[in-house]
Amino acid sequence: DTAVSQTPKYLVTQMGNDKSIKCEQNLGHDTMYWYKQDSKKFLKIMFSYNNKELIINETVPNRFSPKSPDKAHLNLHINSLELGDSAVYFCASRDSGGRSINEQFFGPGTRLTVL
Amino acid sequence: AQSVTQLDSQVPVFEEAPVELRCNYSSSVSVYLFWYVQYPNQGLQLLLKYLSGSTLVKGINGFEAEFNKSQTSFHLRKPSVHISDTAEYFCAVSDLGSARQLTFGSGTQLTVLP
Repeated sequence: DTAVSQTPKYLVTQMGNDKSIKCEQNLGHDTMYWYKQDSKKFLKIMFSYNNKELIINETVPNRFSPKSPDKAHLNLHINSLELGDSAVYFCASRDSGGRSINEQFFGPGTRLTVL
Repeated sequence: AQSVTQLDSQVPVFEEAPVELRCNYSSSVSVYLFWYVQYPNQGLQLLLKYLSGSTLVKGINGFEAEFNKSQTSFHLRKPSVHISDTAEYFCAVSDLGSARQLTFGSGTQLTVLP
């Protein structure tokens, strides 16, 4: 009955590879987010989708491309991975019209290590 | 644009002692305020939030925070901490726009010592 789930939990890969991280929420929310947490634990917004439409796109390299096939999923594809991409990536979701309009629910995170 | 400053990166405290984690924010518009907790190797969990109304808000696990508009602060307090409170604590603000984008502080590591 996990609310926001991410796969994989750990991802170790070589520089230059392409990888994807998947996020799914079963809360019926219509807004989803990707955050990056660096090695100093600083959290920064990357993207947000509302009803499959991109609404936030912070200054992120073009190598990062979010894809939302439906309201319940927001995947993150990363091309040509670099050492600096090593971080923990968190997915979150929110119901923009419901009782928890102001609360974001976070997934457990995906720890990406680029060697 | 908003910014959040958490003044203490690490706070060690003995079990059953009180604790205060400090948070100041800067914004040119009205914001909502949040405290999140991150236990080791886990995601973020909402502790409490201030949206409007009473400036003293109570959250889960015995935590509370007070919104002070004149000092632009939202400090987190607990009168008596437990070992299990050891975690990273993040203060965050969001604007009132449709995206409700969260801007986080740099975090405070609370370590409760026996």
